[in-house]
Amino acid sequence: NAGVTQTPKFQVLKTGQSMTLQCAQDMNHEYMSWYRQDPGMGLRLIHYSVGAGITDQGEVPNGYNVSRSTTEDFPLRLLSAAPSQTSVYFCASSYGGYQETQYFGPGTRLLVL
Amino acid sequence: SQQGEEDPQALSIQEGENATMNCSYKTSINNLQWYRQNSGRGLVHLILIRSNEREKHSGRLRVTLDTSKKSSSLLITASRAADTASYFCAKGSGSRLTFGEGTQLTVNP
Repeated sequence: NAGVTQTPKFQVLKTGQSMTLQCAQDMNHEYMSWYRQDPGMGLRLIHYSVGAGITDQGEVPNGYNVSRSTTEDFPLRLLSAAPSQTSVYFCASSYGGYQETQYFGPGTRLLVL
Repeated sequence: SQQGEEDPQALSIQEGENATMNCSYKTSINNLQWYRQNSGRGLVHLILIRSNEREKHSGRLRVTLDTSKKSSSLLITASRAADTASYFCAKGSGSRLTFGEGTQLTVNP
């Protein structure tokens, strides 16, 4: 199993540009999440999903959209990039229910100029 | 808001010594998890302790939970240089975890 994969690994954007960060998992996990990590900080939840077709906002959702059309994929869209969105983005998945452990992808480093 | 607060922010020890990190939280929990993050990598789950447990072991890791004090500690025994990483506690369940700011552990050879 590849686990949780994220693309791209690194991206530079100009202010106002849009892009989609890709996340996929091959573990048949129901739950998927997007976090951002700023330097020297913990992770903050952006959006999450408890199954295909079901998404909800986390702690810092503004400026981001998500959709979950399949169990495997959970893309994160930046609508109009801002320098404040410069961060490292992590996707995670878990079985859900009583299985609480989250499995993280390697991250996408985003720089917005 | 950060629900898990780690202490200390940074810890530097010699190989073979024990490392203890603490985590405090503000509201009641069903469980608390600890994760490790090597530099530039994603987080890796270490251990989960449920609210009805007081202590849990996994290899060289020992986690305690005191729900009356709303705190948890992670002990790494006989540390190795490869243990150098950031350690985070996380509260929550399912797809919604709340992380603290982490403890940066450096183990010197």
